[in-house]
Amino acid sequence: GQQLNQSPQSMFIQEGEDVSMNCTSSSIFNTWLWYKQDPGEGPVLLIALYKAGELTSNGRLTAQFGITRKDSFLNISASIPSDVGIYFCAGQNTNAGKSTFGDGTTLTVKP
Amino acid sequence: GAVVSQHPSRVICKSGTSVKIECRSLDFQATTMFWYRQFPKQSLMLMATSNEGSKATYEQGVEKDKFLINHASLTLSTLTVTSAHPEDSSFYICSARDLRSKNEKLFFGSGTQLSVL
Repeated sequence: GQQLNQSPQSMFIQEGEDVSMNCTSSSIFNTWLWYKQDPGEGPVLLIALYKAGELTSNGRLTAQFGITRKDSFLNISASIPSDVGIYFCAGQNTNAGKSTFGDGTTLTVKP
Repeated sequence: GAVVSQHPSRVICKSGTSVKIECRSLDFQATTMFWYRQFPKQSLMLMATSNEGSKATYEQGVEKDKFLINHASLTLSTLTVTSAHPEDSSFYICSARDLRSKNEKLFFGSGTQLSVL
């Protein structure tokens, strides 16, 4: 099946720094989604991308749908302690809503 | 945004018993819901697609007789872990599609931590 490679696996940054993470796939996706998961909670949708080349922002978060449709990145600017968590990318390739998830990027922000 | 409620949030049971987990879409109808399993520090693994009014579609390697799924209404899907064993201990998460939005979005419940003793 389709697999997503998400990197980096973990990040330790200082408060105020910018963060960048990405996902790549060996095959095309029609939709890219970025989620954040706090411990013991379900993932929360951050940004959804539907067109190749699309660049979308949500507050301090910016995500882009790669032109090749095989990759996406998520940037977080001016990180704050509450940004701590696990970030997952997910790709969808049908209208059925079935998603393939990356392995996650664990973000730690030092005050 | 759309709200998906999952209950219970945490359950501890004895080996051999069955556990039912509920997933409800609170402010929208969901013809399709998804059930995931997540082990510590790992990604979400899709177990099955729950279809309202019809049989669930299970992913390869997931035992349908072990993980019973019922989607009897447009707002409720249930996952029953039958004859649970310690290896079934995991974090189970449901999600539902909100078809009202122009582009489909997938919203997740808050998850259920199952511990089998």
